[in-house]
Amino acid sequence: QQQVKQSPQSLIVQKGGISIINCAYENTAFDYFPWYQQFPGKGPALLIAIRPDVSEKKEGRFTISFNKSAKQFSLHIMDSQPGDSATYFCAAGSGGSQGNLIFGKGTKLSVKP
Amino acid sequence: NAGVMQNPRHLVRRRGQEARLRCSPMKGHSHVYWYRQLPEEGLKFMVYLQKENIIDESGMPKERFSAEFPKEGPSILRIQQVVRGDSAAYFCASSSRDRVGEAFFGQGTRLTVV
Repeated sequence: QQQVKQSPQSLIVQKGGISIINCAYENTAFDYFPWYQQFPGKGPALLIAIRPDVSEKKEGRFTISFNKSAKQFSLHIMDSQPGDSATYFCAAGSGGSQGNLIFGKGTKLSVKP
Repeated sequence: NAGVMQNPRHLVRRRGQEARLRCSPMKGHSHVYWYRQLPEEGLKFMVYLQKENIIDESGMPKERFSAEFPKEGPSILRIQQVVRGDSAAYFCASSSRDRVGEAFFGQGTRLTVV
């Protein structure tokens, strides 16, 4: 019920290509879905987030697509660059008093020049 | 505007010792969260605190682990009598009162138990 399932575990993309990472959740109480980017030895950095009242959110080369009925959301990285090589985590949370996030296991993205 | 500050960045403890991890939230943030990350794993929620209150500790091991966020000073995650299985990266995150859950993370403390 509390799980967030993320796929693929690893992803190799050519420079300029589109990177797509998918996540699925069970708990319909979740109402906040962020994506984090983490470089080795660093903390996760908030990349982009969406709430279920919209189906898509775009910030620069990063887009979240959200499918409420399927309980799925995905991150698309357009024109992928070698500097995007990192581990990406999706997460889900609910507002109010809970506050904590449930994280997926991560996707290690490698963008080849 | 400084981000979430954690110290130390690296901590080595022998089995049986105590580990104290510190976290200062972002300016203006009153909510603090602690997460643990094992190698090649996602982050696992441990505890959620506000000033002088533990809001949710459902992810904390029942023994040896405790957390506090006093009125003054940083939040502290304390691990007593550490064991090898406690070796992990511990991340603190903070959020503001009106954007609970929109958490910004620190750089983490990497604990190694030898």
